[in-house]
Amino acid sequence: QKEVEQNSGPLSVPEGAIASLNCTYSDRGSQSFFWYRQYSGKSPELIMSIYSNGDKEDGRFTAQLNKASQYVSLLIRDSQPSDSATYLCAVNLWDYKLSFGAGTTVTVRA
Amino acid sequence: DAGVTQSPTHLIKTRGQHVTLRCSPISGHKSVSWYQQVLGQGPQFIFQYYEKEERGRGNFPDRFSARQFPNYSSELNVNALLLGDSALYLCASSAGQGRNTEAFFGQGTRLTVV
Repeated sequence: QKEVEQNSGPLSVPEGAIASLNCTYSDRGSQSFFWYRQYSGKSPELIMSIYSNGDKEDGRFTAQLNKASQYVSLLIRDSQPSDSATYLCAVNLWDYKLSFGAGTTVTVRA
Repeated sequence: DAGVTQSPTHLIKTRGQHVTLRCSPISGHKSVSWYQQVLGQGPQFIFQYYEKEERGRGNFPDRFSARQFPNYSSELNVNALLLGDSALYLCASSAGQGRNTEAFFGQGTRLTVV
């Protein structure tokens, strides 16, 4: 079983819609979770971090964490063409290692 | 403030050669981690250094080594390059060590082995 799994995508959404990205993780002891955005040919950029069960909102982004279900999600509201990128879910394991999913590619069509 | 800086940005090497990649963390950050990202996959953990000591190592062969200097900059060395080492190498900078520590990536070094 992979440590972190994301819905495979690609995900295509119309401009202005909500994009919903999902991530599950295998280590029940995981404590911190991150979402990174990666544009084609660029490096990952941290956009959200979440440590407690529930929702965390930052602008148009909302991260949701459910530790009992070992599930973390990212919602992008009012999607814009500039949101077109690959979104990486990362889980902090063993205090020093980030384990990443393979990423979900989002395309926002005008 | 400058972010994480990596050098070089692009590199082409021949099989069997050796390569050194460099990273300067964000000012005040004491932890540097290295990741390898191949096309279509998420980054894979290689090493973490904190306060100049190796704190973690991923599932990579001994051809990969790293070190951290007193100014917290870091080098990743890869010996006897293989075609499969072609990837984007990412350096991540963190203020400290621990589960709730955010990591910030540099622009990466794209290594091509021919």
